[in-house]
Amino acid sequence: DAGVIQSPRHEVTEMGQEVTLRCKPISGHDYLFWYRQTMMRGLELLIYFNNNVPIDDSGMPEDRFSAKMPNASFSTLKIQPSEPRDSAVYFCASSLAFSPTGDQPQHFGDGTRLSIL
Amino acid sequence: AQSVAQPEDQVNVAEGNPLTVKCTYSVSGNPYLFWYVQYPNRGLQFLLKYITGDNLVKGSYGFEAEFNKSQTSFHLKKPSALVSDSALYFCAVRDRTGGGNKLTFGTGTQLKVEL
Repeated sequence: DAGVIQSPRHEVTEMGQEVTLRCKPISGHDYLFWYRQTMMRGLELLIYFNNNVPIDDSGMPEDRFSAKMPNASFSTLKIQPSEPRDSAVYFCASSLAFSPTGDQPQHFGDGTRLSIL
Repeated sequence: AQSVAQPEDQVNVAEGNPLTVKCTYSVSGNPYLFWYVQYPNRGLQFLLKYITGDNLVKGSYGFEAEFNKSQTSFHLKKPSALVSDSALYFCAVRDRTGGGNKLTFGTGTQLKVEL
């Protein structure tokens, strides 16, 4: 089985440019999560979707950040305009639905390392 | 509110020795608890989870974790460490009641296993 696929793996761009990060979750997974990882703040949940619908976007840092999930097999995280403090590794994760017997583990992609100059 | 603490930024252990990576949590209700491992330039990988039942949970790569409700802890253990176990380890928690559907991760503990 293919895991969670993220693209690009690395992105270097200049301040003010639009950045779009992409994610393909594992087929059949109901939940999709976007995280950001930095040395200073650790791993932060930005937003998550259930069946393509955004459920909680309280972690999105500012209006410059937006996320969409147009269908079950694709999601994007967009930053416009980008700033140097957005530099981080961005992870996408997906999981099956939560079951009565307990949580399903999240499966992470290998991340996009974003550098804003 | 839910939270998790990993009190050690780094743990060093000699290969062949037992290892423990500590985690304590705080939830209003009952917890779901997880351990994940991250290797350099990779995403997090699931190791094991505690849902209910036996307090000793066994996971991948010989790791296990012990749930202790009275101490609100979920320490990760392995009887005999390998150099290949060197990685960043994250504990995570979700409150079964009122926690929404999101995990809260700890800050991570860097495990270094030396020859």
